[in-house]
Amino acid sequence: EIVLTQSPGTLSLSPGERATLSCRASQSVSSTYLSWYQQKRGQAPRLLIHGASSRATGIPDRFSGSGSGTDFTLTISRLEPEDFAVYYCQQYGTSLTFGQGTRLEIK
Amino acid sequence: QVHLQESGPGLVKPSETLSLTCSVSGYSISSGFFWGWIRQPPGRGLEWIGHMYHSGSTHDNPSFKSRVSMSVDTSKNQFSLKLTSLTAADTAVYYCGRAGGQGAFDFWGQGALVTVSS
Repeated sequence: EIVLTQSPGTLSLSPGERATLSCRASQSVSSTYLSWYQQKRGQAPRLLIHGASSRATGIPDRFSGSGSGTDFTLTISRLEPEDFAVYYCQQYGTSLTFGQGTRLEIK
Repeated sequence: QVHLQESGPGLVKPSETLSLTCSVSGYSISSGFFWGWIRQPPGRGLEWIGHMYHSGSTHDNPSFKSRVSMSVDTSKNQFSLKLTSLTAADTAVYYCGRAGGQGAFDFWGQGALVTVSS
């Protein structure tokens, strides 16, 4: 099973700042099968990025994904108040696993 | 717009079997995509349970050690999950969702809280 480790566990930033979230895999992941989600309290996760770098329908362009192999990054270029939430990466290979999440909180 | 809705008991006793159904509207299950289940224990992260294609082929998480079975009813545009031998560790919000071939879940139900307790 591929283990995804997200860092940092918690990221404290202010609106308007840039956020960089990391997802590291225990073995190589095809970029095609790497996704990112946002989850707000009490809500279901929302798909942000699929295929490592493709934005899902309706996702603002301040969200971008990059990376390959074992290292992937989600970047939020300029934080809006509604972006403070928990973010998960996910991979789909022989099995499907999620990272443990990064909590993005207001500083 | 695709809409998914979970239904099932909110409270189940230990050792019993959980049965959940996901009703889909806005898209025909038999048209494609994978249909799956993810859960989230209170205050914790997401865990994939499994997913299936409308043909009935399934892919489930080995960590559940064969406690999982899934089925689809295309006539009702629903799919279902059964999880056997429940323990308190199975207490979680259970989500159903739609996934494409890349494994990305693009539509989710609102989630159903299931508590395992006597």
